[in-house]
Amino acid sequence: GEDVEQSLFLSVREGDSSVINCTYTDSSSTYLYWYKQEPGAGLQLLTYIFSNMDMKQDQRLTVLLNKKDKHLSLRIADTQTGDSAIYFCAETFNNAGNMLTFGGGTRLMVKP
Amino acid sequence: DSGVTQTPKHLITATGQRVTLRCSPRSGDLSVYWYQQSLDQGLQFLIQYYNGEERAKGNILERFSAQQFPDLHSELNLSSLELGDSALYFCASSPRTGTEAFFGQGTRLTVV
Repeated sequence: GEDVEQSLFLSVREGDSSVINCTYTDSSSTYLYWYKQEPGAGLQLLTYIFSNMDMKQDQRLTVLLNKKDKHLSLRIADTQTGDSAIYFCAETFNNAGNMLTFGGGTRLMVKP
Repeated sequence: DSGVTQTPKHLITATGQRVTLRCSPRSGDLSVYWYQQSLDQGLQFLIQYYNGEERAKGNILERFSAQQFPDLHSELNLSSLELGDSALYFCASSPRTGTEAFFGQGTRLTVV
């Protein structure tokens, strides 16, 4: 079955780069997503990548996809205290519409 | 603001009761998804509707049901509530399958 895994916690200093990693198991994934959840808030779509792409950049965010290793990463450049949140990766499958399977989330703490 | 509206924001009810959660999708979006976020299970897909018809089912209990109305808003009905049903319930919408999903702020349900 499908499974998405993330490390639980990441701590960085303000101004440094953050790299949040995710592994998935189903090679039929079509889209891979990154969502951000701030305390007491909903899920904010940050970016997504098609499974036939290797990289996508959007301002401070860079997504890298290694299909061979089924590894997805989100790099946040010049991390700010406002980036402190829980980050979820998620995937969808060819035969499941847009049903998302989420990882457990990585809590990013940015220290001033 | 994602454009997806969920009401109520908070709900406290007793075990054995029934509640209805409401979701208004983004203007023009035909698909509505329901997710449950709990501490022990993480983010789990419950059910999807597309233009009024059930499209996909996930880990939804038999005590739970949903529907999507002609104006495309959706309701999630939870009955015979148990303490373990306490969670954050999210609604998401997307214009068609295979694209990004936008989430509402969620309804926090507390069963006492």
